[in-house]
Amino acid sequence: EVQLQESGPGLVKPSQSLSLTCSVTGYSITSNYWGWIRKFPGNKMEWMGYISYSGSTSYNPSLKSRISITRDTSKNQFFLQLNSVTTEDTATYYCARIYWYFDFWGPGTMVTVSS
Amino acid sequence: DVLMTQTPVSLPVSLGGQVSISCRSSQSLVHSDGNTYLHWYLQKPGQSPQLLIYRVSNRFSGVPDRFSGSGSGTDFTLKISRVEPEDLGVYYCLQSTHFPPTFGGGTKLELK
Repeated sequence: EVQLQESGPGLVKPSQSLSLTCSVTGYSITSNYWGWIRKFPGNKMEWMGYISYSGSTSYNPSLKSRISITRDTSKNQFFLQLNSVTTEDTATYYCARIYWYFDFWGPGTMVTVSS
Repeated sequence: DVLMTQTPVSLPVSLGGQVSISCRSSQSLVHSDGNTYLHWYLQKPGQSPQLLIYRVSNRFSGVPDRFSGSGSGTDFTLKISRVEPEDLGVYYCLQSTHFPPTFGGGTKLELK
């Protein structure tokens, strides 16, 4: 079965970069699409972007040029980098496998942006 | 972006009862390929969202038939019959017909 696990710092200072790793087991990231979603305090959910089986990427326009998703196929991992963070980027971050829907998710990692 | 409006925000229920959750989109979710990419999730406390229904009415693997989805165009409904304790949590709809994918605001199913 596909399993995903997010990892990374739980605290980031404003204006710095947020970097997270998603480690995938049970399925190769050279198949399908793999993405990042975040849930803000309260219930609001936001799709951030994805990386495809070929390495192409697509991002939510709301994140403009702050976001980058990359991968390491040798480790079966993909990565999120979000630059110039503010307190409004405080959220729980999830990685997931994508078809037209997100079928398998990691447990999520909470990231707080605070000085 | 397509706005997804879920109602109600909070939904008290008795165990064994039946409930419906509404999800309305600001534009039609019929894709040019003829499919409608509207999906439903449940997020239980302390867990990540789990897929219940994909493409309006298809139950994901392992989802009991107490869950059913229906609707078309801009108006969609998730029905839960014979509510059990493990059904409690926050329900979300998600559209992936239009870019970027967008979620509803969530409906919290809780005990009366």
